Order: sequence, then C-alpha cells, then structure tokens
Amino acid sequence: DAGVIQSPRHEVTEMGQEVTLRCKPISGHDYLFWYRQTMMRGLELLIYFNNNVPIDDSGMPEDRFSAKMPNASFSTLKIQPSEPRDSAVYFCASSLDRAGEQYFGPGTRLTVT
Amino acid sequence: QQQVKQSPQSLIVQKGGISIINCAYENTAFDYFPWYQQFPGKGPALLIAIRPDVSEKKEGRFTISFNKSAKQFSLHIMDSQPGDSATYFCAAHLTGTASKLTFGTGTRLQVTL
Repeated sequence: DAGVIQSPRHEVTEMGQEVTLRCKPISGHDYLFWYRQTMMRGLELLIYFNNNVPIDDSGMPEDRFSAKMPNASFSTLKIQPSEPRDSAVYFCASSLDRAGEQYFGPGTRLTVT
Repeated sequence: QQQVKQSPQSLIVQKGGISIINCAYENTAFDYFPWYQQFPGKGPALLIAIRPDVSEKKEGRFTISFNKSAKQFSLHIMDSQPGDSATYFCAAHLTGTASKLTFGTGTRLQVTL
C-alpha cells in the first residue's frame, strides 16, 4: 500500500484566497483524521470521520475551515478565506479501527502571506 | 482533564546513552497510550504503544514504563543513536471516543556523537 497520500505537499497563497488540501486514506481504513501542527500549539486534531461521516469537529478553529469526505478514498480540508495565522503543516491520518494505530500522511506545508 | 503533559521539551543525549521522556495524564478513562516518532519533514509514525493493564512493554531498544497509580508513563530509548534524533510525541486514547487520540506537546531529541 502507498500509505496515506496528501496533496499538495507545499502550498503558498495570499491572504483571502481559498485553500483546498486533499487526502487519500489507506484503503480499508474507516477512520480519517485531519491535524494541524505548529510550533506554538503542537499537534491539534481538527476533525475526524468514521465511515465518511464527521464524528467530532470540535477542533475546527472557526467557520473558515470546512472538511468533507465524499467517499471512502478521498477527503478535503478547505480554508476560505485563508489568513496568515493559518500557516502550519496539515496532516491527514487514517486508522483501521477504534483505538487503533493512526497512519499519518507526509503533510501539507501551508504558508499564507 | 483530557490533556497529556509531556516533558522535557527538548533533550540532548550522547550516543550510547539512555533517553527518557515522560508523560502524565489526569483522566483515568484513557485506555491506550502510544508513542509516535516524527522526523523532520515527515508525518508522525507509531513507535510503540501500551495498554494500562501492563506496567512495561519493550520493543528492541524502546521501552514504555507505565505507572497506573501515578498516572504517568515514560519512553526509554536505550543505547541512543544519532538516527534516533527526532521529535517524540506521547498520546492517549479516551474510552468511547472511537479512534481519537490526545497528543502531548512533543520532545525534540538530539543524539550527539
């Protein structure tokens, strides 16, 4: 298996623009997680899905952030409009079952200028 | 109460030495405690994990010690090598929260020659 795939790996955008991050989980995994990592706040869980259904979005910082999982093999995290404070590395992870090992993707480094 | 407190923030160890990273928690409903290793530019990867019904788990040079009464657990890296230089995160899973993990703030380990 190729592991969790994320795209793009790097994204530089201007404040106010819409940003879409993409994730393909490992085939057969039914949990998908979106995390944000910064030096100041560490690794934060934004939202997670089970069987394509959002279970807990309490970590989504504000309404500018939205996430979807239209099918078992694809998820997006969208920021609209983006702000400089959104600059971070965004990770997607997937898991096979409850309390199971989470497999992380390589991350998307987002820079908002 | 869902926090996991990790220390130290950074650690420098000589090659061949023992690296020790500590974590503490408050919520007794945590039921699974993994450690993740992250190299620069990569996503975190599961290193070793333990459940609270055992006091120690060893995999090669990596050992988790778990003290249920003190609500503490630690990672010991024996015979530390320069290739172990990375950031280490402890985490905890809360019973009944599907596959959601709460991460510590991370420890940056540097193993010198």
